[in-house]
Amino acid sequence: GQQLNQSPQSMFIQEGEDVSMNCTSSSIFNTWLWYKQDPGEGPVLLIALYKAGELTSNGRLTAQFGITRKDSFLNISASIPSDVGIYFCAGLGVTGGGNKLTFGTGTQLKVEL
Amino acid sequence: DTEVTQTPKHLVMGMTNKKSLKCEQHMGHRAMYWYKQKAKKPPELMFVYSYEKLSINESVPSRFSPECPNSSLLNLHLHALQPEDSALYLCASSQLPRGLAGGTDTQYFGPGTRLTVL
Repeated sequence: GQQLNQSPQSMFIQEGEDVSMNCTSSSIFNTWLWYKQDPGEGPVLLIALYKAGELTSNGRLTAQFGITRKDSFLNISASIPSDVGIYFCAGLGVTGGGNKLTFGTGTQLKVEL
Repeated sequence: DTEVTQTPKHLVMGMTNKKSLKCEQHMGHRAMYWYKQKAKKPPELMFVYSYEKLSINESVPSRFSPECPNSSLLNLHLHALQPEDSALYLCASSQLPRGLAGGTDTQYFGPGTRLTVL
């Protein structure tokens, strides 16, 4: 199925550094969601964005819904070891059968102490 | 409370077995989903139920059979699976499809069932 372009694919950073990742799409979405997934667990919702241009924070996380509705970014400030995991963006579109999430390819984050 | 629960956590089955995965949510959500996820890949949508009715089937093989007994429960019945069906199976729920009664459509995921088919 369709996937969003998410970059970078992986990051290896030092503890305390800021992290930035983004997603782009050729399609417009009504909602952008950012999830974090630990190995063997389900994705956990981090931030939900519902309006173009919206900038939302959740603790050390900040995400923005692009003004064109075709992109979004996620920033993590002052990374800590528990930030390790895979981050997925997801765009929500409505079809005749119901709402469907289109996921990004994921960004694997590794934090070095 | 944004909890979606799934049982079992792990399942090992042979290709001739019949088993079921279960999912439950008590958030009053009226849309529920099954996803399949392979290692280091994003989740892939399998089925969507809206108001307890199957609304989307992403061309999933008939050896996977979903069931929604009520608004809180979602099952996935498995029969005659293949080794390539081994994956993490995720359940999710959302309040309402956008455009109907003004509900939000943010999806909340359960912890998943790790399925191994021998």
